[in-house]
Parts: sequence; structure tokens; C-alpha cells
Amino acid sequence: QSVLTQPPSVSAAPGQKVTISCSGSSSNIGNNHVSWYQHLPGTAPKLLIYESNKRPSGIPDRFSGSKSGTSATLGITGLQTGDEADYYCGTWDSSPNTYVFGPGTKVTVL
Amino acid sequence: EVQLVESGGGLVQPGGSLRLSCAASGFTFSSYAMGWVRQAPGMGLEWVSVISSSGRNSYYTDSVKGRFTISRDESKNTVYLQMNSLRAEDTAVFYCARGSRGLGSGHYEYWGQGTLVTVSS
Repeated sequence: QSVLTQPPSVSAAPGQKVTISCSGSSSNIGNNHVSWYQHLPGTAPKLLIYESNKRPSGIPDRFSGSKSGTSATLGITGLQTGDEADYYCGTWDSSPNTYVFGPGTKVTVL
Repeated sequence: EVQLVESGGGLVQPGGSLRLSCAASGFTFSSYAMGWVRQAPGMGLEWVSVISSSGRNSYYTDSVKGRFTISRDESKNTVYLQMNSLRAEDTAVFYCARGSRGLGSGHYEYWGQGTLVTVSS
């Protein structure tokens, strides 16, 4: 059971937008940066967003991140079939000094 | 190009031991924390452990404390995960990942392809 909360699934038609929420507490999201990862089981996870709203080189600007208080949000615009994957938020938890992932959200393109 | 290549996975009996290795290249190894993340069958990503860039600090998830030990060898640009007293619930694909600079409380930007650990009799 993760200390972070994400919706199990979200879906939308191609070209549309989805948002994925990640809720935590003051010991994790409230006082640390949030990262977002895209993962297809059996492959290496991919970092999409770091420090809550920054994109690594090569990640399209269709992916965006934000944070407010103890919650964070990943947005995906212009949804493509290739975006179907599991998405995880992650952050450091200062109590008890561990990194934590959310339970993951499955994105389905209708 | 950053590369992380894991090895050492396999089938082990409950109570047994296994040592995973992760060979890193393409970056200044000594500047970055290194971590291990696993995914059990049908489950999500679970963070396991991280070791700071200096090697002086390491952190573990509760379920592996006292059983797993993370270490790094700067001369070989390799990070290890020694796993003892393995349990069936440790069965997972283990990923090596490059953490942030310093203590490693930040994000994981680069990941290996993973190595499968199966704990079964």
C-alpha cells in the first residue's frame, strides 16, 4: 500500500487530454520534488517529468507536470496510441527517508 | 550515451542469496546516487534502495532492511545489491537506475532493462 494515491485508470480519445493526480502528505510531496515515469511492463521505465514540472531532453511538451501543496498532476495533451502505458508518480519521503512511487495509473486511448 | 546493464538475476530457493550487479557507463559514476527499483508480477513499481554518490549513505524500503545491502565500486563503475534470506515475495524484475547527484533523494533519469529474480522451491 503506497503512501501516494493515484487513480487506477484514466482514458480518453486520441487527440484529447488526460490528467493524472498524485496525492501525498507533508513528509513527501509537500516538501520534496515530484517525478513522473511512464512504464510498459517488461521495458525500462522512462522519466517524463522531474522536479515537479521539468521535462528531460527528448520528452515532448505534450507532457506537463505541476505541484500544489501535497498534490501533483501529470497532464498529457494530444493523446496518442503510443501513450498507452502505466504512469507512476514518485518522490522522496523524508519520514522515513525512502523514495516512494504511487500505485500507478493505466492510461487507455479509446 | 548513458548505459546501465544489470546482471545476476535467476532462480533461487527461499532463504537463499543472490547478488545483482549493474554496470554503468556514459557518465561520471562517482557524481550520482544509484538505486534499485523492482516490479513484482502484476504489481507496480516498488523502490528498493539507493546509495549516495559517495557511498557513505544508503537507504532501504522497510521490507528489505536487514536482508539486502547496496554497495558500489568506483573502480568498476558498478553498483551491487546483495540479497539474502530471499522470500517468495521478492520475486520481481529488478531495475538499476541512476539517481540524482549527491544523496539521491531526487529523480531517476536513466534505467537499465531489468533482471528477473525468481524465488521458488
